[in-house]
Amino acid sequence: EVQVVESGGGLVQPGGSLRLSCAVSGFTFSRYGMSWVRQAPGKGLEWVSGMSGSGDSTYYADSVKGRFTISRDNSKNTVFLQMNSLRAEDTAVYYCAKDIGYSSGDYFDYWGQGTLVTVSS
Amino acid sequence: EIVLTQSPGTLSLSPGERATLSCRASQSVSSSYLAWYQQKPGQAPRLLIYVASNRATGIPDRFSGSGSGTDFTLTISRLEPEDFAVYYCQQYGSSPQTFGQGTKLEIK
Repeated sequence: EVQVVESGGGLVQPGGSLRLSCAVSGFTFSRYGMSWVRQAPGKGLEWVSGMSGSGDSTYYADSVKGRFTISRDNSKNTVFLQMNSLRAEDTAVYYCAKDIGYSSGDYFDYWGQGTLVTVSS
Repeated sequence: EIVLTQSPGTLSLSPGERATLSCRASQSVSSSYLAWYQQKPGQAPRLLIYVASNRATGIPDRFSGSGSGTDFTLTISRLEPEDFAVYYCQQYGSSPQTFGQGTKLEIK
């Protein structure tokens, strides 16, 4: 059974940093891309970042480029999202999602339950 | 980037009725790389359809997808009580992948 579990969300002040983690099990982690998708309160879905199975390719939405960094540890079946210079508009539930393929940029067949990030003073 | 516009914003129907949800793209979606997701309150999205018309594992056959180019449709043939939720389309044929704004399917 595939499991995707996010952690690390919380309240942070504008300009602050936060690191999200996503632990997965139930599939061969290194064979699949992983992505982060966020959802602001009462709003729709927004793709944030993705990474290929080996970690050699990374992708970012323009809204977070230069501020967020995605990484993964294939020995621990975990993907991370380092978020710096946070803004109020980054407030959202952040979902970790498994890409259907190796390279990332496809659709997502498994999602975690999400972790809430609130940026506020 | 490709903008996806979903209509209607809200659809009010009764159980047993047929639901037709639309997703229109601002430019052609390459290879019909379009997916549909269902999201219930407080839950993560759930994959329903990929490549426009292929049902994901475990999805009931009352859900069907169709379309190509810029116009795509999700049809639910006979609504069950558990089908009332928000539905999102996603294109992944062009980078960056993008989502529509969602259609809320509510009980009439």
